[in-house]
Amino acid sequence: DAGVIQSPRHEVTEMGQEVTLRCKPISGHNSLFWYRQTMMRGLELLIYFNNNVPIDDSGMPEDRFSAKMPNASFSTLKIQPSEPRDSAVYFCASSFGFQPQHFGDGTRLSIL
Amino acid sequence: SQQGEEDPQALSIQEGENATMNCSYKTSINNLQWYRQNSGRGLVHLILIRSNEREKHSGRLRVTLDTSKKSSSLLITASRAADTASYFCATVDFSGNTPLVFGKGTRLSVIA
Repeated sequence: DAGVIQSPRHEVTEMGQEVTLRCKPISGHNSLFWYRQTMMRGLELLIYFNNNVPIDDSGMPEDRFSAKMPNASFSTLKIQPSEPRDSAVYFCASSFGFQPQHFGDGTRLSIL
Repeated sequence: SQQGEEDPQALSIQEGENATMNCSYKTSINNLQWYRQNSGRGLVHLILIRSNEREKHSGRLRVTLDTSKKSSSLLITASRAADTASYFCATVDFSGNTPLVFGKGTRLSVIA
């Protein structure tokens, strides 16, 4: 079991650039979650998918954020254009239904 | 909005002592889960307690749940330096069909 794999682990880019975060969930899991973690706001759920279908994206902060899950083994979170306030650690997690979640090690994003 | 709220926000103890962390929540739940996060890593699931359970053990971990007070506690006995991490509670609402809502965590430091 390779666990949830996220890439890149670190991303530093300038304001206005497009950022794409990637996630490979655990094989066999049918739910996938994207979170953002900051000191001020803690861990926030951005969006989750069930069987590759977005179920709830009410946590996505703005239209600049979008997420896709083209198949059961891959998901992306895109920010375009990026802003300094988007700096945070972004986590992907997967589970079978609403069983306990398995988290990746996150992408630490810094927008200059 | 945050459902679980951990208390205290930070806790520092000596190796060998017991550590107790508390979690309060606001609405009826299906289950409550505790997770650990080591620095720079993703969250790791520790233990799940269902709404009809009052106590659960796993190794050196003991979790209690009081649904009348809408609170839970996590006890780590005979703490070790390796237990140094942030600990989060997360709840699943009564329907059992909603994603986890995390608190902001308790930062535990175990001093050798």
